[in-house]
Amino acid sequence: NAGVTQTPKFRVLKTGQSMTLLCAQDMNHEYMYWYRQDPGMGLRLIHYSVGEGTTAKGEVPDGYNVSRLKKQNFLLGLESAAPSQTSVYFCASSPGLAGGRANEQFFGPGTRLTVL
Amino acid sequence: AQSVTQPDIHITVSEGASLELRCNYSYGATPYLFWYVQSPGQGLQLLLKYFSGDTLVQGIKGFEAEFKRSQSSFNLRKPSVHWSDAAEYFCAVGATGTYKYIFGTGTRLKVLA
Repeated sequence: NAGVTQTPKFRVLKTGQSMTLLCAQDMNHEYMYWYRQDPGMGLRLIHYSVGEGTTAKGEVPDGYNVSRLKKQNFLLGLESAAPSQTSVYFCASSPGLAGGRANEQFFGPGTRLTVL
Repeated sequence: AQSVTQPDIHITVSEGASLELRCNYSYGATPYLFWYVQSPGQGLQLLLKYFSGDTLVQGIKGFEAEFKRSQSSFNLRKPSVHWSDAAEYFCAVGATGTYKYIFGTGTRLKVLA
């Protein structure tokens, strides 16, 4: 049981390049999330998905796109990378709501992205 | 608006000393509360969670937290800190009617030998 895995672990891009980050979970969770983590700002939600084929915007969606074609995978795309997107990106998954509220989330190990 | 505040950005304690990390929340109903730990270069790991019931919650690695509704707090405690506890700690609340967390900005713990 690998839990939540992220690929790649590290990446360096030049401004304007594109890339896709892959998140995979083997816990059959319905909900998946992409966060970015920047010093002093905690975790900020980029996009999330409440099921296969669905996606929704979080707090900071600009410059990112996502897709959830398969339940176990959640892809984060950067169309034209900018230095402001230098960050650590975390994926998480959750089994669903508990009493109408967000339930425990399980996090991947992160992807450190640098945009030059 | 719902929010989570961790007033201490950095805390330094000596190994063997007790620890308390503060978390205050603003929420319209009984919240679902979480504490996560992030070791350097790692992802977030759940320490403990509060959904309902007993307000003193036990977690992994010897941590506990107490939910105090009157103070809107969910402080994390450990009686004796180990050097391996040096990490960043995040408090989070489960938002009503959504699938999302609201995270605090984190407290970085340094442990002196």
